[in-house]
Amino acid sequence: NAGVMQNPRHLVRRRGQEARLRCSPMKGHSHVYWYRQLPEEGLKFMVYLQKENIIDESGMPKERFSAEFPKEGPSILRIQQVVRGDSAAYFCASSPPGTGGGLFTEAFFGQGTRLTVV
Amino acid sequence: QKEVEQNSGPLSVPEGAIASLNCTYSDRGSQSFFWYRQYSGKSPELIMFIYSNGDKEDGRFTAQLNKASQYVSLLIRDSQPSDSATYLCAVRQAGTALIFGKGTTLSVSS
Repeated sequence: NAGVMQNPRHLVRRRGQEARLRCSPMKGHSHVYWYRQLPEEGLKFMVYLQKENIIDESGMPKERFSAEFPKEGPSILRIQQVVRGDSAAYFCASSPPGTGGGLFTEAFFGQGTRLTVV
Repeated sequence: QKEVEQNSGPLSVPEGAIASLNCTYSDRGSQSFFWYRQYSGKSPELIMFIYSNGDKEDGRFTAQLNKASQYVSLLIRDSQPSDSATYLCAVRQAGTALIFGKGTTLSVSS
């Protein structure tokens, strides 16, 4: 059973370009979470999605950032017009459905995408 | 605002000792609690989770939860140099994502 798959592992973008980060959850998992981590800092929640639904996007910047988790295919985190401050590691996690929206289930992380904006 | 607090450390312990990592949380509605380990440059790995008051043991690891005090801890027995990493505490409410603390850096010296 493959784990959470993220690609690309490393992504370099020039200022003003778009970045697309992909996350395929573990088999049977219907909840996806995106986090951002700056060097020497903790994981900052960005967005929580289920298939075709955004459950909580309270951690997502209002502009330039968007996320989706379509019925088919991976979840996508999209950053438009990237700036140097967007350089960070972006992690995706997934968890299975369960009681209370998966409250008592584990969430597993992918290997992350390290975005560098030059 | 939901907050999860951890002492950033570093926490230094000699090999074979017990390492004690602590975490407090602000939201009494939090219902499940997770400990992750993260090596430098790597992704977080789940160690264990707990949702009932008391202790939960898994090998050398014991998670302790006290909801009245809004406190969760992780004990690592017989610490090894390979345990040197950052330990992340996370909490969750129904229908929400995991909210993480900033992590405690553990250093185990041989």
